[in-house]
Amino acid sequence: AQKVTQAQTEISVVEKEDVTLDCVYETRDTTYYLFWYKQPPSGELVFLIRRNSFDEQNEISGRYSWNFQKSTSSFNFTITASQVVDSAVYFCARPRPGANSKLTFGKGITLSVRP
Amino acid sequence: DADVTQTPRNRITKTGKRIMLECSQTKGHDRMYWYRQDPGLGLRLIYYSFDVKDINKGEISDGYSVSRQAQAKFSLSLESAIPNQTALYFCATSDRGARGANVLTFGAGSRLTVL
Repeated sequence: AQKVTQAQTEISVVEKEDVTLDCVYETRDTTYYLFWYKQPPSGELVFLIRRNSFDEQNEISGRYSWNFQKSTSSFNFTITASQVVDSAVYFCARPRPGANSKLTFGKGITLSVRP
Repeated sequence: DADVTQTPRNRITKTGKRIMLECSQTKGHDRMYWYRQDPGLGLRLIYYSFDVKDINKGEISDGYSVSRQAQAKFSLSLESAIPNQTALYFCATSDRGARGANVLTFGAGSRLTVL
């Protein structure tokens, strides 16, 4: 199976620190999508971003930015000036090979932002 | 009201009991999914359905069954619950969209404890 690896399991930072969440994926596809989802303490999963493999430009949305590098099969997520509300579990995901819509998720990274 | 509604939100049951988790959606999406979340394991796909007449096994379907009663309803059953089925269960939906590009909309989750 083509995996999604989130090697970090737990990260703890102090508010206002920058933090990067790593995601490494395996793929034999030439075209694919990558996703990040957030699971706050309330439990629901919230979509953050979808990136097409054709587009290697970094994405920035407010304090969030994503660095996609096909050469290293990585799709890392950086939170700038972290806030307590950023505390959550973050999942990287990609569709299974040849499988429309069926996402394979990484194991998730638990981020704790302390005041 | 939530786009994807799961009931019950919490359930404690005993080994051997039959349990049904229900999911309904107002997104108008054709595709529905059941995932299971365990600590440290991320989300794993149990079953998915691309339309009312289509039911497919995911990576961990043993011990589970599903029913797609209508476009908007997809239920997950545990015929004889066992303790290692204790987990957080998520229903999700997506539209058809481009191959592999579908964003999942998740329900709030159903926490099941099997004693």
